[in-house]
Amino acid sequence: AQKITQTQPGMFVQEKEAVTLDCTYDTSDQSYGLFWYKQPSSGEMIFLIYQGSYDEQNATEGRYSLNFQKARKSANLVISASQLGDSAMYFCAMREGLKKTSYDKVIFGPGTSLSVIP
Amino acid sequence: DAGITQSPRHKVTETGTPVTLRCHQTENHRYMYWYRQDPGHGLRLIHYSYGVKDTDKGEVSDGYSVSRSKTEDFLLTLESATSSQTSVYFCAISDPGLAGVARPIQETQYFGPGTRLLVL
Repeated sequence: AQKITQTQPGMFVQEKEAVTLDCTYDTSDQSYGLFWYKQPSSGEMIFLIYQGSYDEQNATEGRYSLNFQKARKSANLVISASQLGDSAMYFCAMREGLKKTSYDKVIFGPGTSLSVIP
Repeated sequence: DAGITQSPRHKVTETGTPVTLRCHQTENHRYMYWYRQDPGHGLRLIHYSYGVKDTDKGEVSDGYSVSRSKTEDFLLTLESATSSQTSVYFCAISDPGLAGVARPIQETQYFGPGTRLLVL
């Protein structure tokens, strides 16, 4: 079963508008972390923002903010004042609670392609 | 930006030939990973390393092997390349010490530029 769901394969947004990219996740752990990465057409994966399951406030990093709704198991990325350079693939990822192994796997969603229109 | 390089950046090879991809880091991070990226699948973990000579399998490890003889280098080998291994390969690094003892789950992975591999 998909642990990370990103239901929007592609999205368009007008320059300077805000856009929300959806991410829902599935876990039975109480402690977990959520990450968003950006992948522009050049191909590199760029870390954007992190949200912990016990964090009381939604994470923010510049124009990026995370709308974290724990009960709904959603961690949507909000980009304010979109710029042309925001056109990229965006991946949501999750690390589940610490287990007695040497590594806690990070699971990635399939991604959402965002196109910013001038 | 984290100091992570991958070589080669592009490679075309024939079915049945061995291929080795190299990941080099200058950050002295303890953990290193190899992922493959395919359309509709996001990133899937192939193998990872949690220290020199300490490696383990990820979810799609069949047909791949890895080695880590130095902290800074993590090699991915396709023993006998197949067309299904045509993909973009990413190396990533992380270090649990950076997130702190109190917040280990915040450990963030940083990625290399990727290698495009085409197996004909």
